Amino acid sequence: AQSVTQPDIHITVSEGASLELRCNYSYGATPYLFWYVQSPGQGLQLLLKYFSGDTLVQGIKGFEAEFKRSQSSFNLRKPSVHWSDAAEYFCAVGEEGAQKLVFGQGTRLTINP
Amino acid sequence: NAGVTQTPKFRVLKTGQSMTLLCAQDMNHEYMYWYRQDPGMGLRLIHYSVGEGTTAKGEVPDGYNVSRLKKQNFLLGLESAAPSQTSVYFCASSYDDVNYGYTFGSGTRLTVV
Repeated sequence: AQSVTQPDIHITVSEGASLELRCNYSYGATPYLFWYVQSPGQGLQLLLKYFSGDTLVQGIKGFEAEFKRSQSSFNLRKPSVHWSDAAEYFCAVGEEGAQKLVFGQGTRLTINP
Repeated sequence: NAGVTQTPKFRVLKTGQSMTLLCAQDMNHEYMYWYRQDPGMGLRLIHYSVGEGTTAKGEVPDGYNVSRLKKQNFLLGLESAAPSQTSVYFCASSYDDVNYGYTFGSGTRLTVV
């Protein structure tokens, strides 16, 4: 069965620092991978997605993610975080023909001024 | 573009009362989902539907019922609310290929006292 692991429950970074959020998945074939962001009191918004092709994917709000098949990872990065990036981030995985995505447990990001 | 609309946004129920949460989407999406989100538990799938007139159980279906009489609407019912159902409920929808990703509603915060 598919699974998604986000090893970090909570991460704190300083404003202006770089960010990397980890996501590992367990799946046999080529997965479809997503990152969602949930600002406080809001629903989830799609940041970026990977289907195939270039393993470095650009998303909204200056985020990017890199698919590494050898490591079964899809880590989210941002070179310089802003206070408005404080939110919860969810990684999700799908597969061909699936009826639903599988979500990780989420990583809460706190930004120090 | 309304996207996915959830009503109500907030509700307080007494134990044993019933209520229905409404999810409406205007994107002609085939698939619809109900999740609950609790602190430290991530998103847990309650029920989902892959088309008008169909429903299926997710991870935590007990105590909930759903109906999809019209393609654009997905209703979540609580027949006899319990304090354990205090949560934030999210509806999501997707095309008949989840690998395009989900569109989420803004959530319903339900408190059962």
